[in-house]
Amino acid sequence: ELKVEQNPLFLSMQEGKNYTIYCNYSTTSDRLYWYRQDPGKSLESLFVLLSNGAVKQEGRLMASLDTKARLSTLHITAAVHDLSATYFCAVDIFGETSGSRLTFGEGTQLTVNP
Amino acid sequence: DAGVTQSPTHLIKTRGQQVTLRCSPISGHKSVSWYQQVLGQGPQFIFQYYEKEERGRGNFPDRFSARQFPNYSSELNVNALLLGDSALYLCASTPPSDTQYFGPGTRLTVL
Repeated sequence: ELKVEQNPLFLSMQEGKNYTIYCNYSTTSDRLYWYRQDPGKSLESLFVLLSNGAVKQEGRLMASLDTKARLSTLHITAAVHDLSATYFCAVDIFGETSGSRLTFGEGTQLTVNP
Repeated sequence: DAGVTQSPTHLIKTRGQQVTLRCSPISGHKSVSWYQQVLGQGPQFIFQYYEKEERGRGNFPDRFSARQFPNYSSELNVNALLLGDSALYLCASTPPSDTQYFGPGTRLTVL
């Protein structure tokens, strides 16, 4: 059974600081996703990582993937209050007959304080 | 283009009742997936449908069923509701070989 673990689960940081969220998964995957969720809202797609060594950046967020270590990171640079949300990583296991299904981590609840 | 739409937005039911949730995917997307997100947890995969056929099923009891229509919209049905079925139900729409785009969700409360 595929397991996806995120850490930390809760992160409180000051504006302007840097931090990294880690996502470990237990089996080979076709692709890895990062999503953002605001309270009471749906999931917003941030990044799709498709291959070993993939790195993607959008604003103050940068995601990377190491398929050999089965590890993805989401790095936050110079955090601002607007980044406060819950961040999920999700691993996609695609099978020819089973199709695509996402297995999510527990989520990292990020709070950025002034 | 309109995104994924779901209805209703909120729903309150009592134990033992049945519920039907609806989802319309993004135009041109033929695959729809359903996820359950209990408060404080990550979403869990329930079903995936592609071209009206079930392509995958998560670890959910037979009380959960779904179908996809010729226009690619989908319904999720849950029978004999339990308190533990209270959750946000998310529908995701997927183009070929691409990310899954999530709808706004239906918040189900079972009393």
